[in-house]
Amino acid sequence: TQTVSQSDAHVTVFEGDSVELRCNYSYGGSIYLSWYIQHHGHGLQFLLKYYSGNPVVQGVNGFEAEFSKSDSSFHLRKASVHWSDSAVYFCAVSAASSGQKLVFGQGTILKVYL
Amino acid sequence: EAAVTQSPRSKVAVTGGKVTLSCHQTNNHDYMYWYRQDTGHGLRLIHYSYVADSTEKGDIPDGYKASRPSQENFSLILELASLSQTAVYFCASSQTGGADAEQFFGPGTRLTVL
Repeated sequence: TQTVSQSDAHVTVFEGDSVELRCNYSYGGSIYLSWYIQHHGHGLQFLLKYYSGNPVVQGVNGFEAEFSKSDSSFHLRKASVHWSDSAVYFCAVSAASSGQKLVFGQGTILKVYL
Repeated sequence: EAAVTQSPRSKVAVTGGKVTLSCHQTNNHDYMYWYRQDTGHGLRLIHYSYVADSTEKGDIPDGYKASRPSQENFSLILELASLSQTAVYFCASSQTGGADAEQFFGPGTRLTVL
């Protein structure tokens, strides 16, 4: 069974700060890891994904995430946040063996103050 | 522009009543999904479909039925709505069913069962 844990329910930063949103997963096989963003009142939008290769993957709007097999983590980072980055961020895992099934974490609410 | 739309955007239903949530996609995708999101939790898969006139059970199918009359349309049906089904429902589509497939989400339907 795949599980995804996002330990921080809320993260608050100021515009221009760097931010890291944490994601840990539990699964022993081959998996795809992804991040989605949900702005208030909207559906989820894909940010980035990782399967293999370079453990640091780049996404849209300056986001990047780093995979760590030893830590079972896939943390999302941004060097300098903008107020428009305020949203809910979801980490998701899908196992190569289960095809299209996505398992989501609980989400992290990011609030960026001016 | 390719998109996933949902109707209604919000609905109040009475316990025991029938509720139908509709989803329409112009992505020309084969796969469509229904998820529910509860406050403070990630999304959970209810039903999905990879071809018209066929649906598959997800992780939490009890109390829900799905219908895929065409490639573009996918409905979620609550025959006897219950209080526990109060949630936000998201529809999504993807081009393929592989674990690496990016899913495109609709804006969500907020359902309140009284």
